[in-house]
Amino acid sequence: DTAVSQTPKYLVTQMGNDKSIKCEQNLGHDTMYWYKQDSKKFLKIMFSYNNKELIINETVPNRFSPKSPDKAHLNLHINSLELGDSAVYFCASRIRSGNTIYFGEGSWLTVV
Amino acid sequence: AQSVTQLGSHVSVSEGALVLLRCNYSSSVPPYLFWYVQYPNQGLQLLLKYTSAATLVKGINGFEAEFKKSETSFHLTKPSAHMSDAAEYFCAVSEFGNRDDKIIFGKGTRLHILP
Repeated sequence: DTAVSQTPKYLVTQMGNDKSIKCEQNLGHDTMYWYKQDSKKFLKIMFSYNNKELIINETVPNRFSPKSPDKAHLNLHINSLELGDSAVYFCASRIRSGNTIYFGEGSWLTVV
Repeated sequence: AQSVTQLGSHVSVSEGALVLLRCNYSSSVPPYLFWYVQYPNQGLQLLLKYTSAATLVKGINGFEAEFKKSETSFHLTKPSAHMSDAAEYFCAVSEFGNRDDKIIFGKGTRLHILP
Protein backbone atom coordinates (compact mmCIF):
# COMPACT_ATOMS: atom_id res chain seq x y z
CA ASP A 1 0.00 0.00 0.00
CA THR A 2 3.06 2.26 -0.24
CA ALA A 3 2.05 5.59 -1.76
CA VAL A 4 5.34 6.32 -3.55
CA SER A 5 7.46 3.25 -4.13
CA GLN A 6 10.98 3.07 -5.53
CA THR A 7 13.00 0.10 -6.67
CA PRO A 8 15.63 -0.92 -5.95
CA LYS A 9 16.21 0.41 -2.46
CA TYR A 10 19.91 -0.46 -2.55
CA LEU A 11 22.12 -0.66 -5.61
CA VAL A 12 25.87 -1.22 -5.75
CA THR A 13 27.42 -1.07 -9.21
CA GLN A 14 30.70 -0.45 -10.95
CA MET A 15 31.83 2.72 -12.68
CA GLY A 16 30.82 2.86 -16.29
CA ASN A 17 27.69 0.76 -15.89
CA ASP A 18 24.19 1.88 -16.83
CA LYS A 19 21.43 1.53 -14.25
CA SER A 20 17.80 2.46 -13.74
CA ILE A 21 15.72 3.33 -10.71
CA LYS A 22 11.98 2.93 -10.98
CA CYS A 23 9.30 4.95 -9.24
CA GLU A 24 5.57 4.44 -9.04
CA GLN A 25 2.90 6.35 -7.14
CA ASN A 26 -0.63 5.16 -6.45
CA LEU A 27 -1.96 8.48 -5.15
CA GLY A 28 -3.46 9.66 -8.41
CA HIS A 29 -0.98 12.56 -8.53
CA ASP A 30 -0.08 14.27 -11.78
CA THR A 31 3.34 15.68 -10.88
CA MET A 32 6.42 13.65 -10.05
CA TYR A 33 9.96 14.57 -9.05
CA TRP A 34 13.43 13.17 -8.64
CA TYR A 35 15.62 14.58 -5.88
CA LYS A 36 19.25 13.73 -5.12
CA GLN A 37 20.65 13.63 -1.58
CA ASP A 38 24.43 13.82 -1.50
CA SER A 39 26.85 12.58 1.14
CA LYS A 40 26.35 15.78 3.15
CA LYS A 41 22.59 15.12 3.25
CA PHE A 42 21.84 18.05 0.96
CA LEU A 43 18.63 17.52 -1.03
CA LYS A 44 18.46 19.00 -4.51
CA ILE A 45 15.82 18.69 -7.17
CA MET A 46 16.84 17.05 -10.42
CA PHE A 47 13.68 16.75 -12.51
CA SER A 48 9.95 17.22 -12.39
CA TYR A 49 7.26 15.93 -14.70
CA ASN A 50 3.64 16.95 -15.00
CA ASN A 51 1.36 14.56 -16.86
CA LYS A 52 4.36 12.93 -18.55
CA GLU A 53 5.78 16.28 -19.65
CA LEU A 54 9.24 17.38 -18.46
CA ILE A 55 8.89 20.63 -16.52
CA ILE A 56 12.11 21.01 -14.52
CA ASN A 57 15.61 19.92 -15.51
CA GLU A 58 18.02 21.39 -13.01
CA THR A 59 21.42 21.35 -14.75
CA VAL A 60 21.75 17.63 -14.41
CA PRO A 61 24.35 15.89 -16.60
CA ASN A 62 22.76 14.37 -19.68
CA ARG A 63 23.91 10.95 -18.48
CA PHE A 64 20.76 11.16 -16.38
CA SER A 65 17.60 10.59 -18.37
CA PRO A 66 14.17 10.52 -16.75
CA LYS A 67 11.32 8.74 -18.45
CA SER A 68 7.65 8.98 -17.61
CA PRO A 69 5.59 6.35 -19.45
CA ASP A 70 2.46 7.55 -17.69
CA LYS A 71 1.66 9.98 -14.92
CA ALA A 72 1.96 7.29 -12.24
CA HIS A 73 5.53 6.37 -13.15
CA LEU A 74 8.79 8.28 -13.34
CA ASN A 75 11.92 6.26 -13.92
CA LEU A 76 15.51 7.47 -13.77
CA HIS A 77 18.12 6.00 -16.07
CA ILE A 78 21.79 6.75 -15.51
CA ASN A 79 24.43 6.03 -18.15
CA SER A 80 28.16 5.62 -17.62
CA LEU A 81 27.96 5.81 -13.85
CA GLU A 82 30.65 7.79 -12.04
CA LEU A 83 31.84 7.68 -8.43
CA GLY A 84 30.21 11.07 -7.83
CA ASP A 85 26.82 9.65 -8.69
CA SER A 86 26.83 7.78 -5.38
CA ALA A 87 23.92 9.26 -3.46
CA VAL A 88 20.39 8.64 -2.29
CA TYR A 89 17.79 9.32 -4.97
CA PHE A 90 14.29 10.21 -3.87
CA CYS A 91 11.20 10.06 -5.98
CA ALA A 92 8.27 12.25 -4.99
CA SER A 93 4.83 13.19 -6.20
CA ARG A 94 2.00 15.64 -5.66
CA ILE A 95 -1.22 16.77 -7.24
CA ARG A 96 -0.69 20.13 -8.91
CA SER A 97 -3.63 21.67 -7.13
CA GLY A 98 -2.26 20.49 -3.79
CA ASN A 99 0.51 21.77 -1.53
CA THR A 100 2.24 18.70 -0.19
CA ILE A 101 4.92 16.58 -1.82
CA TYR A 102 5.04 12.92 -0.82
CA PHE A 103 8.40 11.20 -0.91
CA GLY A 104 9.39 7.62 -1.55
CA GLU A 105 11.73 5.70 0.73
CA GLY A 106 14.78 6.49 -1.36
CA SER A 107 17.21 4.47 -3.45
CA TRP A 108 20.76 4.18 -2.12
CA LEU A 109 23.15 4.09 -5.09
CA THR A 110 26.80 3.24 -4.50
CA VAL A 111 29.22 3.37 -7.43
CA VAL A 112 32.51 1.51 -6.87
CA ALA B 1 14.04 33.19 -5.61
CA GLN B 2 13.02 31.13 -2.63
CA SER B 3 15.55 29.75 -0.18
CA VAL B 4 15.82 28.23 3.26
CA THR B 5 18.50 28.62 5.92
CA GLN B 6 18.73 26.25 8.84
CA LEU B 7 20.85 27.56 11.68
CA GLY B 8 23.08 24.89 13.14
CA SER B 9 24.00 21.72 11.30
CA HIS B 10 24.09 19.87 14.63
CA VAL B 11 21.99 20.45 17.73
CA SER B 12 22.32 18.49 20.96
CA VAL B 13 19.72 18.47 23.72
CA SER B 14 19.27 16.38 26.82
CA GLU B 15 16.42 13.92 27.00
CA GLY B 16 13.40 15.75 28.41
CA ALA B 17 14.67 19.18 27.41
CA LEU B 18 13.16 21.60 24.93
CA VAL B 19 13.97 21.03 21.28
CA LEU B 20 14.38 24.15 19.12
CA LEU B 21 15.48 23.86 15.49
CA ARG B 22 15.76 27.14 13.63
CA CYS B 23 14.68 27.86 10.08
CA ASN B 24 14.54 31.12 8.16
CA TYR B 25 13.15 31.42 4.67
CA SER B 26 13.17 33.78 1.76
CA SER B 27 10.25 33.97 -0.62
CA SER B 28 8.82 36.58 -2.96
CA VAL B 29 5.25 35.41 -2.36
CA PRO B 30 3.47 33.93 0.65
CA PRO B 31 5.22 30.61 1.03
CA TYR B 32 4.28 27.11 1.91
CA LEU B 33 6.66 25.84 4.61
CA PHE B 34 7.45 22.32 5.70
CA TRP B 35 9.47 20.34 8.18
CA TYR B 36 10.56 16.84 7.22
CA VAL B 37 12.38 14.27 9.38
CA GLN B 38 14.77 11.62 8.15
CA TYR B 39 15.76 8.78 10.46
CA PRO B 40 19.02 6.95 9.68
CA ASN B 41 18.86 5.03 6.41
CA GLN B 42 15.23 5.93 5.93
CA GLY B 43 13.19 8.20 3.69
CA LEU B 44 11.67 11.61 4.31
CA GLN B 45 8.64 11.87 6.57
CA LEU B 46 6.49 14.99 6.71
CA LEU B 47 6.33 16.36 10.26
CA LEU B 48 4.14 19.39 9.61
CA LYS B 49 3.33 22.07 7.08
CA TYR B 50 2.23 25.70 6.98
CA THR B 51 -0.19 26.62 4.23
CA SER B 52 -1.37 30.12 5.22
CA ALA B 53 -3.97 28.99 7.71
CA ALA B 54 -3.06 29.06 11.42
CA THR B 55 0.41 30.42 12.14
CA LEU B 56 1.03 27.82 14.85
CA VAL B 57 1.14 24.43 13.22
CA LYS B 58 1.02 21.17 15.12
CA GLY B 59 2.59 18.07 13.66
CA ILE B 60 3.26 14.48 14.47
CA ASN B 61 5.29 13.18 17.42
CA GLY B 62 4.59 16.27 19.53
CA PHE B 63 6.37 18.74 17.25
CA GLU B 64 5.04 22.15 16.35
CA ALA B 65 6.24 25.17 14.42
CA GLU B 66 5.28 28.82 14.35
CA PHE B 67 5.21 30.91 11.19
CA LYS B 68 6.46 34.44 11.87
CA LYS B 69 6.22 36.59 8.77
CA SER B 70 7.98 39.58 10.37
CA GLU B 71 10.98 37.41 11.18
CA THR B 72 10.69 35.19 8.05
CA SER B 73 11.06 32.24 10.41
CA PHE B 74 9.49 28.85 10.85
CA HIS B 75 11.24 27.33 13.87
CA LEU B 76 10.46 23.79 14.98
CA THR B 77 9.93 23.01 18.66
CA LYS B 78 9.09 20.14 20.94
CA PRO B 79 8.62 20.63 24.69
CA SER B 80 10.36 17.44 25.80
CA ALA B 81 12.90 15.53 23.76
CA HIS B 82 12.86 11.75 23.49
CA MET B 83 15.71 9.52 22.47
CA SER B 84 13.64 8.48 19.47
CA ASP B 85 13.74 12.07 18.16
CA ALA B 86 17.38 11.68 17.13
CA ALA B 87 17.34 12.23 13.38
CA GLU B 88 18.03 14.70 10.57
CA TYR B 89 15.46 17.49 10.24
CA PHE B 90 14.88 19.46 7.07
CA CYS B 91 13.04 22.73 6.69
CA ALA B 92 11.64 23.36 3.21
CA VAL B 93 9.84 26.09 1.29
CA SER B 94 7.73 26.16 -1.81
CA GLU B 95 5.80 28.69 -3.85
CA PHE B 96 3.28 26.27 -5.30
CA GLY B 97 1.21 27.76 -8.06
CA ASN B 98 3.71 28.02 -10.89
CA ARG B 99 4.18 25.43 -13.57
CA ASP B 100 7.78 24.83 -12.51
CA ASP B 101 7.09 24.87 -8.80
CA LYS B 102 9.15 22.68 -6.54
CA ILE B 103 10.15 22.34 -2.91
CA ILE B 104 13.49 23.78 -1.80
CA PHE B 105 15.22 22.22 1.18
CA GLY B 106 17.54 23.63 3.79
CA LYS B 107 20.80 21.84 4.48
CA GLY B 108 19.38 19.96 7.41
CA THR B 109 20.00 19.87 11.16
CA ARG B 110 21.13 16.70 12.88
CA LEU B 111 19.42 16.44 16.27
CA HIS B 112 21.33 14.53 18.94
CA ILE B 113 19.60 13.50 22.15
CA LEU B 114 21.83 13.15 25.22
CA PRO B 115 20.80 10.66 27.90
